[in-house]
Amino acid sequence: EAQVTQNPRYLITVTGKKLTVTCSQNMNHEYMSWYRQDPGLGLRQIYYSMNVEVTDKGDVPEGYKVSRKEKRNFPLILESPSPNQTSLYFCATGPGTEAFFGQGTRLTVV
Amino acid sequence: DQQVKQNSPSLSVQEGRISILNCDYTNSMFDYFLWYKKYPAEGPTFLISISSIKDKNEDGRFTVFLNKSAKHLSLHIVPSQPGDSAVYFCAADSSGSARQLTFGSGTQLTVLP
Repeated sequence: EAQVTQNPRYLITVTGKKLTVTCSQNMNHEYMSWYRQDPGLGLRQIYYSMNVEVTDKGDVPEGYKVSRKEKRNFPLILESPSPNQTSLYFCATGPGTEAFFGQGTRLTVV
Repeated sequence: DQQVKQNSPSLSVQEGRISILNCDYTNSMFDYFLWYKKYPAEGPTFLISISSIKDKNEDGRFTVFLNKSAKHLSLHIVPSQPGDSAVYFCAADSSGSARQLTFGSGTQLTVLP
């Protein structure tokens, strides 16, 4: 079964405490991306990766880092989280019609 | 400035009737448009798409219409079913964008039994 797995699904953390949200896919897709969903703003792309070791900024990259050391994994790193990064995060593989989203990670930064 | 806009945050429709969800865009470079459906606690799933060389694409109960001159697209669901109740996102892509999708803010559709 095709899957994009995000962990954790829910996370409450404090300002400034580094965290990582993991994303793993079993579809052997080259393309992966991260989005955040906020009320009234829809989904906005944070970072994307066209292939291993190739990453690029999306529309809202500030405060985030990513890495793509292997094809299946694309972790999202918040080095110093702030309350304005409280959001619902989605990892996805494939562009456009091929996009397959994970179930989301609800992050709250207090 | 949002390049893809869904001006109706919510829509309620009676079961069996038509649901029409609207989307407007401002960027003339967009040449491919998609609709995604999202249920609570799940990720969005692809529903239907249309290329800018077409003005209509149909898939079962779902039809997407594109009016390029008005920079407007709409999703029609006929007949609407309670299982269609979800948030619908419009998204746009351009061939030179390195595969970046631009999403609208979404419309919550509620189909009443």
